[in-house]
Amino acid sequence: SAVISQKPSRDICQRGTSLTIQCQVDSQVTMMFWYRQQPGQSLTLIATANQGSEATYESGFVIDKFPISRPNLTFSTLTVSNMSPEDSSIYLCSVEGVPNTIYFGEGSWLTVV
Amino acid sequence: GENVEQHPSTLSVQEGDSAVIKCTYSDSASNYFPWYKQELGKGPQLIIDIRSNVGEKKDQRIAVTLNKTAKHFSLHITETQPEDSAVYFCAAIGTSYGKLTFGQGTILTVHP
Repeated sequence: SAVISQKPSRDICQRGTSLTIQCQVDSQVTMMFWYRQQPGQSLTLIATANQGSEATYESGFVIDKFPISRPNLTFSTLTVSNMSPEDSSIYLCSVEGVPNTIYFGEGSWLTVV
Repeated sequence: GENVEQHPSTLSVQEGDSAVIKCTYSDSASNYFPWYKQELGKGPQLIIDIRSNVGEKKDQRIAVTLNKTAKHFSLHITETQPEDSAVYFCAAIGTSYGKLTFGQGTILTVHP
């Protein structure tokens, strides 16, 4: 299985500010995925990040709000821009291990006040 | 797109009993069905998965069954222990590479 590290693990942010979440994997992976888990809810895919190309966003998520970088095969960042209390969620990075086996990091727990 | 329904939303059992969580999916092209356990304050942990060419898979006290015709799959936990208490999510991958669609989650509580 892949070892996935996320930073920060938790943060409390002021509304109107932006926060960048980092995801580091211990092996090279083709695709990385960013999910959001709102309080008490299930997980929803935000976007898929491939190295060397623009991220692909799911319906309801836009690049201006959630810009993503993927500079190499082991690292990605997700920025949550112009935050509001509704952005308070767990943001999770995931990668594919053996074909179609998806592993998750511990998440970045974000509270916007 | 894919839609995954999960039941029940909460499940309470006594230690030693069995627990069963059921999911249905909508996309007949889906071919991979993982189950995740999420403990409080942690990310989802993959506990077992099954692929569309297999009907059942077991790993110690945990088993998953898949009925492709009916488009449903289930998680079975035998001899439950208090440390099994967590939120369990089913998921499916359809035709979109690597994209997981999750069920709504089941809060499992195992009483000592």
